[in-house]
Amino acid sequence: EADIYQTPRYLVIGTGKKITLECSQTMGHDKMYWYQQDPGMELHLIHYSYGVNSTEKGDLSSESTVSRIRTEHFPLTLESARPSHTSQYLCASSPTAREKRETQYFGPGTRLLVL
Amino acid sequence: KNQVEQSPQSLIILEGKNCTLQCNYTVSPFSNLRWYKQDTGRGPVSLTIMTFSENTKSNGRYTATLDADTKQSSLHITASQLSDSASYICVVSDRGSTLGRLYFGRGTQLTVWP
Repeated sequence: EADIYQTPRYLVIGTGKKITLECSQTMGHDKMYWYQQDPGMELHLIHYSYGVNSTEKGDLSSESTVSRIRTEHFPLTLESARPSHTSQYLCASSPTAREKRETQYFGPGTRLLVL
Repeated sequence: KNQVEQSPQSLIILEGKNCTLQCNYTVSPFSNLRWYKQDTGRGPVSLTIMTFSENTKSNGRYTATLDADTKQSSLHITASQLSDSASYICVVSDRGSTLGRLYFGRGTQLTVWP
């Protein structure tokens, strides 16, 4: 079982609210990721980080922002939630790859519903 | 365009039966291929990982195969159990970037009935 945690697990919120999805890992991994997944669809990378003070946008355009002040913490923030943000958000981490076999360890996800 | 296609989209089998899930990919240059299991409402968990030189990899009742020439992989589940009900996701990594870009399939939704 991977030591990566996400809170909240479920969130129902009104349009226009600011929200922060928390993600933390205790494995000391340098790389962390945020994915968005709609039901029955593939995961889409929206943000990633190579380490502290490193953040990059992923393949899927997202209005969310992330920060990486500490190695173990990678929160995702939506300044003004909209119904189109309704989805499942998955956080993952992986160790710095010294070989090509790095595996991403996923958190349980946050299911977000914006009314 | 790098893609990962999985089939079937969904599958229902009886407990104790075997099944095989398929994955075709066009990702290039290829680095490795993983199969993940995702239970409903949970994050994916890695089952197997194979590089270019590996043809088969087992993890308990799960056996994955890889044909890098035809760019196909399969996941065989033996003697299925109710707990095998989940989405099985094929993930292919390229070696064209430092990040090790991952390409996800949409998954096969497996339901095991008693």
